[in-house]
Formats: sequence, C-alpha cells, structure tokens
Amino acid sequence: AQSVTQLDSQVPVFEEAPVELRCNYSSSVSVYLFWYVQYPNQGLQLLLKYLSGSTLVKGINGFEAEFNKSQTSFHLRKPSVHISDTAEYFCAVSPTGTYKYIFGTGTRLKVLA
Amino acid sequence: DAMVIQNPRYQVTQFGKPVTLSCSQTLNHNVMYWYQQKSSQAPKLLFHYYDKDFNNEADTPDNFQSRRPNTSFCFLDIRSPGLGDAAMYLCATSPAGQPQHFGDGTRLSIL
Repeated sequence: AQSVTQLDSQVPVFEEAPVELRCNYSSSVSVYLFWYVQYPNQGLQLLLKYLSGSTLVKGINGFEAEFNKSQTSFHLRKPSVHISDTAEYFCAVSPTGTYKYIFGTGTRLKVLA
Repeated sequence: DAMVIQNPRYQVTQFGKPVTLSCSQTLNHNVMYWYQQKSSQAPKLLFHYYDKDFNNEADTPDNFQSRRPNTSFCFLDIRSPGLGDAAMYLCATSPAGQPQHFGDGTRLSIL
C-alpha cells in the first residue's frame, strides 16, 4: 500500500519570501509523483510531475520540486511567493502501471502582505 | 479549450432524495475518476473507469453508483443522500499513465 504525508497543515509566509512545502511518501513499488494546487471552490490544477529522469522538476507559476528517492520525499519550493499563491497544495503519488492516485492531506499556504 | 466540465457547480438536495452529478470531457481521455472531498481534507477516490471497465474502491458506500455511457460523459448517482454525503465532488480524467485533469467540482448540500 502507498501513503503520502504532508506534515504541515498550514504554512504562513510573507510575500516575496521563499517557501518549502514538504511531502514524504511510502511505497513498496515505484511511483509517479505530483503536486497539485487548489484554489477555493475550484478543482485541482497540476503544478508539476515527476515521472522519470531529472530529479529536479520545474512546474508552473515558478514552483519546482526535487525527488529524493533515498528519503522518499518530493518537497515543493518557490524562491519568492506572491499573494496569489495562497491556496491549498496537495502532493500525490500514483504507483506505476496503475490508475490510482493517493493524495496527501494538503498544506494550506497563506501568503501575507 | 479542451477541458473537464462538471454540472451543476452547486447542487442542493433533500435528505434521501436521489441526485445525479455529471461530468463531461473534451480531452478524449480513457480514464475517468470520481472523488469526494470534504472540507480541509484530501480528495477521496470513489471509483474510476478505464474505458468502460468500472473499478470501485473497497470503501465506497453502496449508496454511490456511477455510469459512463460513452467516452465523454460520466455520472455519479447518489441513491439516498445522507447528511454525511455533503461534500465537493470532483471529476478527473487522464490518459493512461499520465497526470489527471480535474473539473471545478460540484458542491453538494443536503437539507
């Protein structure tokens, strides 16, 4: 079975400061990794994905994430946040060869002026 | 633009009164998913279709059913909604082995 842990339920950060949202996963099989963002009353939007290849993945809106296989982590980073980045962020894994996605419980990023 | 469309965006129904939520896609993806998301929680997978093959999650209540009459459309039927079924329902699609594309969801309220 797979599981995804997002230890930080809320992360407040000042505008233009850097941010890191943490994601750790557990799986006995290889997985694909994803970060999604959800704005209020909307669906989830894909930020970035790791399928294979380079462990540093760049996504939309200036976000990037690094896959660390030994630490089973896939932390999301942005060097300088904007007020508009305030949203819920979900990490997800999908075991390769399946159509299942397992989501973490989400991290609410609140960017302060 | 190709997209995933959920109707309606907001649905109010009475306790025990059947309700149907709909999802359509123009992406021609062969996999479609239904998720339930309660406030401040992760989306919970209810079921998914690979083409016409239906896959139910083990903990999805029998009260929840789904239909996929063709590639473009998928429906979620809640036969006898209870107060605990009030939630956001998200539809998603994906090509096999690729990231999901989500609709904006239907927020279901139960009176």
